[in-house]
Amino acid sequence: TQTVSQSDAHVTVFEGDSVELRCNYSYGGSIYLSWYIQHHGRGLQFLLKYYSGNPVVQGVNGFEAEFSKSDSSFHLRKASVHWSDSAVYFCAVSDSGYNKLTFGKGTVLLVSP
Amino acid sequence: GGIITQTPKFLIGQEGQKLTLKCQQNFNHDTMYWYRQDSGKGLRLIYYSITENDLQKGDLSEGYDASREKKSSFSLTVTSAQKNEMAVFLCASSPRGQDTQYFGPGTRLLVL
Repeated sequence: TQTVSQSDAHVTVFEGDSVELRCNYSYGGSIYLSWYIQHHGRGLQFLLKYYSGNPVVQGVNGFEAEFSKSDSSFHLRKASVHWSDSAVYFCAVSDSGYNKLTFGKGTVLLVSP
Repeated sequence: GGIITQTPKFLIGQEGQKLTLKCQQNFNHDTMYWYRQDSGKGLRLIYYSITENDLQKGDLSEGYDASREKKSSFSLTVTSAQKNEMAVFLCASSPRGQDTQYFGPGTRLLVL
């Protein structure tokens, strides 16, 4: 059984700052990792994913994430945030052929102008 | 492109009532999911369906029924609403063999 841990429930930064949202997982086999964003009152939207290859993956709107097998991590980063990046971010992991994802509890990112 | 539609957007029910939530997708995706989202608890999988007429229980299936009568639609029934229950129910779909999921806007449930 895989688990996902997002250690920060809330992160607050100023517009233009860089940000890193942390995600750690526990699973020993082949793994699929992804990040989703949820704006207030909306459903989740896919940001990026990692399955194999280059451990740094690029997503939409300047987001990137880096996979680390040694740290069991898949942290999400953005070099310069905009107020519209304020949202809840979910890390997810999957190992099954039936596309089942296990989600973390989410990190609320608040970007102050 | 495609879209996932969830109805109703808001649902207010009474304790013990049977409540049905509906989800439609026009992506032509094989797999569909129902999640429950509670504040501070992330998303928990209730039911999923890998094809028409298939049903698989998730981690939170007790107290719910689901139905996948056709490829484009997936319904969820709360069999007996619990007093003071408040949650968002999210429907999602994905193509066969791919892990990326596409989500609807959610149905917000409040039980009085």
